[in-house]
Amino acid sequence: NAGVTQTPKFRILKIGQSMTLQCTQDMNHNYMYWYRQDPGMGLKLIYYSVGAGITDKGEVPNGYNVSRSTTEDFPLRLELAAPSQTSVYFCASSDDTQATDTEAFFGQGTRLTVV
Amino acid sequence: AQSVTQLDSHVSVSEGTPVLLRCNYSSSYSPSLFWYVQHPNKGLQLLLKYTSAATLVKGINGFEAEFKKSETSFHLTKPSAHMSDAAEYFCVVSGGGELMNRDDKIIFGKGTRLHILP
Repeated sequence: NAGVTQTPKFRILKIGQSMTLQCTQDMNHNYMYWYRQDPGMGLKLIYYSVGAGITDKGEVPNGYNVSRSTTEDFPLRLELAAPSQTSVYFCASSDDTQATDTEAFFGQGTRLTVV
Repeated sequence: AQSVTQLDSHVSVSEGTPVLLRCNYSSSYSPSLFWYVQHPNKGLQLLLKYTSAATLVKGINGFEAEFKKSETSFHLTKPSAHMSDAAEYFCVVSGGGELMNRDDKIIFGKGTRLHILP
């Protein structure tokens, strides 16, 4: 039971570099989310997707891009890394936020440092 | 639009005493509400969830929460704190509403760090 898998677990980037944070889930969930967690700020939604081919901006989308070509995968792309993007990133998935008993399942997080 | 407010950024209690972590929400619809816990350097674990069934919800590790629509609150409680309860707790709101107006996002509060004093 893999659930939600994020890679890598840790990464250090130089300013201006680019990278992709990978996220895959094996629960056939339609909904997927990317959050960043900064100290004292909770989790802020970056982007989310309600199904393959559909993505929407969350609260803090600037500097990021996403794609959802398959149900399983929801990669997050940083094109020009900036120190402000130093954070812990969590990917999550859920079946349907309209369902009465849904919950979000989270990956273990990716700790990204931009120097 | 939905939002959630955790009223305390830090709460300290002595071991064996009750825990109260406060959460208020705002939603135009009937939301689902959750509490998640995050232990240091760990991922997020679901403690409990409210989804319009019973208003008093029991979760894991002795935690429970009561949904009060009139107060738009979903406070988390535990009768007796244990050292292992020291962690960060997040109140979360999601979903709800009619199909044409639904809000698909899952929104987190800023978190409450619970400290347990020996």
